[in-house]
Amino acid sequence: GAVVSQHPSWVICKSGTSVKIECRSLDFQATTMFWYRQFPKQSLMLMATSNEGSKATYEQGVEKDKFLINHASLTLSTLTVTSAHPEDSSFYICSARVRGLGNTEAFFGQGTRLTVV
Amino acid sequence: QKEVEQDPGPLSVPEGAIVSLNCTYSNSAFQYFMWYRQYSRKGPELLMYTYSSGNKEDGRFTAQVDKSSKYISLFIRDSQPSDSATYLCAMSVYNFNKFYFGSGTKLNVKP
Repeated sequence: GAVVSQHPSWVICKSGTSVKIECRSLDFQATTMFWYRQFPKQSLMLMATSNEGSKATYEQGVEKDKFLINHASLTLSTLTVTSAHPEDSSFYICSARVRGLGNTEAFFGQGTRLTVV
Repeated sequence: QKEVEQDPGPLSVPEGAIVSLNCTYSNSAFQYFMWYRQYSRKGPELLMYTYSSGNKEDGRFTAQVDKSSKYISLFIRDSQPSDSATYLCAMSVYNFNKFYFGSGTKLNVKP
């Protein structure tokens, strides 16, 4: 199956700093990338959807100025958590949808565990 | 009402048992149905996907979709301890702009 690489797998940062998470599709071109947030024992909460070369579409309640998403190419999307606070601590997961082949599946990265202290 | 409902479990079964995992949904426009497996502290891994109604089999896994009942199932035969994980159902409408996930069912297969 297609491989989505997410980096870093975990990060600890100080409150008030910014953290960038990268999501790369390694062996395919991703039409669309999704960013999710997952709290312990809960399902994935979609934060935003990004299409290559255009602005991300944010879900209701997600602050676009706090969670900056850039999708500069068909293989790379980044999520930057700006001015992070302890309540931003969570598991962040990206997902990429395969371009072509009927756009059937979405493949997930390994996730990034963010801890803000 | 949530778009997708899934019993969170946990579901505990002995090794070798047949496992049945289910989701119900409310949006009749859903056409693509997926099952993901997620190990602790890892991203979800796609297990199977089906289009519209019907069955699909892949090794020990069988996915069923009953659109008339808005009900989907994942069966795992000869379950193994390595199958212990959280299983998420997901579904999408035709244009795939958004995936709707269930809350996940935690499965524990005891040796």
